[in-house]
Amino acid sequence: SQTIHQWPATLVQPVGSPLSLECTVEGTSNPNLYWYRQAAGRGLQLLFYSVGIGQISSEVPQNLSASRPQDRQFILSSKKLLLSDSGFYLCAWSVVKAPVGETQYFGPGTRLLVL
Amino acid sequence: QKEVEQNSGPLSVPEGAIASLNCTYSDRVSQSFFWYRQYSGKSPELIMSIYSNGDKEDGRFTAQLNKASQYVSLLIRDSQPSDSATYLCAARAWNNDMRFGAGTRLTVKP
Repeated sequence: SQTIHQWPATLVQPVGSPLSLECTVEGTSNPNLYWYRQAAGRGLQLLFYSVGIGQISSEVPQNLSASRPQDRQFILSSKKLLLSDSGFYLCAWSVVKAPVGETQYFGPGTRLLVL
Repeated sequence: QKEVEQNSGPLSVPEGAIASLNCTYSDRVSQSFFWYRQYSGKSPELIMSIYSNGDKEDGRFTAQLNKASQYVSLLIRDSQPSDSATYLCAARAWNNDMRFGAGTRLTVKP
């Protein structure tokens, strides 16, 4: 069965510091991968998605970037964090399930607090 | 206009009652719809998916879809305190673009 891991689980960082969040998927190959952010009491905002190694699409302009160095590894980074980067960061992978189509499953998430 | 809209709640129901969660979407090309349950401090967990008009039942959960009215709902029968969570509605378009609602917070009171 497929599992998705994220770390760290929680992170407190000062404004202006760098960021690296990691997501890995097990039990599948060439998955579509996604990074979402969920601000407190808000919906999910898609940040990046990737359909393969080195292929990254950005949904919103921001000071974040993403990379996919390996098939089942997805990394979210920032060179300088802003207060507004605080939130719950979720990695997701998707699988095509007939007949409903592409279905997304979420990792456990990383809670980031920027002070 | 938001693409996927949900009443933020909180929706409060007594234990054993039916909880009804509603969602509307504005994109007529949305093809499949999903309900996720999110406990406080945890990540969303998929509980139901539906792609055709009508009802789909899975245990105590029933998803209902009406594409003409652009409306999807989730019914939870025999609600339990463990069902207390935020329920996210999501719509996926033909190009696999997925949009999420902000969620409805459900509280089931013993």
